[in-house]
Amino acid sequence: DTAVSQTPKYLVTQMGNDKSIKCEQNLGHDTMYWYKQDSKKFLKIMFSYNNKELIINETVPNRFSPKSPDKAHLNLHINSLELGDSAVYFCASSPGQVLTFGSGTRLTVV
Amino acid sequence: AQSVAQPEDQVNVAEGNPLTVKCTYSVSGNPYLFWYVQYPNRGLQFLLKYITGDNLVKGSYGFEAEFNKSQTSFHLKKPSALVSDSALYFCAVRDTGKLIFGQGTTLQVKP
Repeated sequence: DTAVSQTPKYLVTQMGNDKSIKCEQNLGHDTMYWYKQDSKKFLKIMFSYNNKELIINETVPNRFSPKSPDKAHLNLHINSLELGDSAVYFCASSPGQVLTFGSGTRLTVV
Repeated sequence: AQSVAQPEDQVNVAEGNPLTVKCTYSVSGNPYLFWYVQYPNRGLQFLLKYITGDNLVKGSYGFEAEFNKSQTSFHLKKPSALVSDSALYFCAVRDTGKLIFGQGTTLQVKP
């Protein structure tokens, strides 16, 4: 009964590949997010969706494309992966103030 | 723009001693402030929040935080630290539909 689940947990891929990370929440929240945590543990917002509508896009390269087929899902597709994309990506959801986070996807680009 | 700062990269305390993890904020208007904890290889877990009301906020696992408007601070505290409290702690502020996080403070509690 995981509240926010992300798959895969680990992803190792070569530069130039395209990959997707999936996120699902069963909390009934209207808003979902993608955050990136870099090697120094710094967390930065990437995107936010509210009821399938994009509401925040924080100057992320357009190689990153979020997709929300319904309000319980927010997937992240990344084209032409670069070494600098290596990070932990966290999905989160929220009914308002408090965010509930998934356990993260560790992406390693080699 | 709203921001928070955590001036300490690491805090070391002995088990049983009180702990404080510092956070200062810079906001326009009334701040909505949060503390989250991240255990190794896990996602962030919500500890507590300040929206309005009492300056002393109580949260999960015996943690509390004190909102101080004059010092623009929101320090996280616990009267008696446990080894299991060792983790990475993030202060955050709400800004137009998202949370802005501080850089994180690693808490090490030694037995």
